Amino acid sequence: EAQVTQNPRYLITVTGKKLTVTCSQNMNHEYMSWYRQDPGLGLRQIYYSMNVEVTDKGDVPEGYKVSRKEKRNFPLILESPSPNQTSLYFCASSLSGTGGGQPQHFGDGTRLSIL
Amino acid sequence: GQQVMQIPQYQHVQEGEDFTTYCNSSTTLSNIQWYKQRPGGHPVFLIQLVKSGEVKKQKRLTFQFGEAKKNSSLHITATQTTDVGTYFCAGRIYLTTSGTYKYIFGTGTRLKVLA
Repeated sequence: EAQVTQNPRYLITVTGKKLTVTCSQNMNHEYMSWYRQDPGLGLRQIYYSMNVEVTDKGDVPEGYKVSRKEKRNFPLILESPSPNQTSLYFCASSLSGTGGGQPQHFGDGTRLSIL
Repeated sequence: GQQVMQIPQYQHVQEGEDFTTYCNSSTTLSNIQWYKQRPGGHPVFLIQLVKSGEVKKQKRLTFQFGEAKKNSSLHITATQTTDVGTYFCAGRIYLTTSGTYKYIFGTGTRLKVLA
């Protein structure tokens, strides 16, 4: 089954404790992206990747890191989480980031609470 | 920076009434996508519009892309309880500095349908 898998689905942690949210897709998609969703603000892009070893900042990259060493994986790293990073996070992928644009497929989301 | 505004933020309708949500971008879009997010779920792709003035229909849903490719609308005729959720537009913008594309999501319109 074609899907985008995020882990964990829920996490409660404390300020300053490094964490990684994993994202994996099995559709051989080139384009992958991370979003955070906050009430009243919609979905805001954190980082995106056009292909392996190519990553770019989105609109709210501060406090986050990503890597794209393999096509299928795009982990989101919070080196020193802070309470303002408490949010619902979505990973998404699409066939390509170039050309005419492709539908984005979203994971089920990761709800992070930073105390 | 680039912004995509979406109105209204909330809409409550009686079942059978029509519903419309509007997206307005501060910059010209290469295309626009629409997504639906059910309560507790993840965004699911509905449609993509590419051409200036394009109109597409999916059963009771009608999507329009403005002539200037800066605005778009989603209209639902005779809403049903299954239409409940948050509707997002996502505008695709070409970044001349990097030669890449990014998506900017609207803030979303939460639709509630009263039976």
